[in-house]
Amino acid sequence: DSGVTQTPKHLITATGQRVTLRCSPRSGDLSVYWYQQSLDQGLQFLIQYYNGEERAKGNILERFSAQQFPDLHSELNLSSLELGDSALYFCASSVGGASGVNEQFFGPGTRLTVL
Amino acid sequence: ILNVEQSPQSLHVQEGDSTNFTCSFPSSNFYALHWYRWETAKSPEALFVMTLNGDEKKKGRISATLNTKEGYSYLYIKGSQPEDSATYLCAYLMGAQKLVFGQGTRLTINP
Repeated sequence: DSGVTQTPKHLITATGQRVTLRCSPRSGDLSVYWYQQSLDQGLQFLIQYYNGEERAKGNILERFSAQQFPDLHSELNLSSLELGDSALYFCASSVGGASGVNEQFFGPGTRLTVL
Repeated sequence: ILNVEQSPQSLHVQEGDSTNFTCSFPSSNFYALHWYRWETAKSPEALFVMTLNGDEKKKGRISATLNTKEGYSYLYIKGSQPEDSATYLCAYLMGAQKLVFGQGTRLTINP
């Protein structure tokens, strides 16, 4: 158990809908990262927040947004969902803001299925 | 396009044998390289974060080396055990914040 929690574990929804994925980092970690794992691709970095502020952006679609709240939990919002958004979404956390020197601790993931 | 290549894609090893696999990454503007172990139905677990050329890190029977000048890292497993079966991912730190993951090496240990 990494100490990172993600809810829900599974989510099934229809195209065009909007969903929110939630992540609570390990106690004491200030950074939260979101990743997408599709069937045909490796782990893709989406976005990082550090202590409430966006720190780095990866291949995140404009239909997706995220935020980190004062209690450091984070939410990833996915809207106008398409079939291709079906994937496993991981949240990870680390102590500092520079991912280079800090290992990341991954949550169990949320499996999103868009029908 | 930044490529992080891992080879081989999959590997079958007899229990008790030692093995190694490779992660190749761009040799310019190096910041750090991460190794993760990912068991089926679980989430990736950090093994090592390597930052300096010539770094060698060890955790039990698993060790890793880093050559930033030529852009590769090796992961070694000594005396493989069935519990070592997993996908091993390396991730190159692009810029100061973004991790770019390889596709992984899927290791299966045959008892």
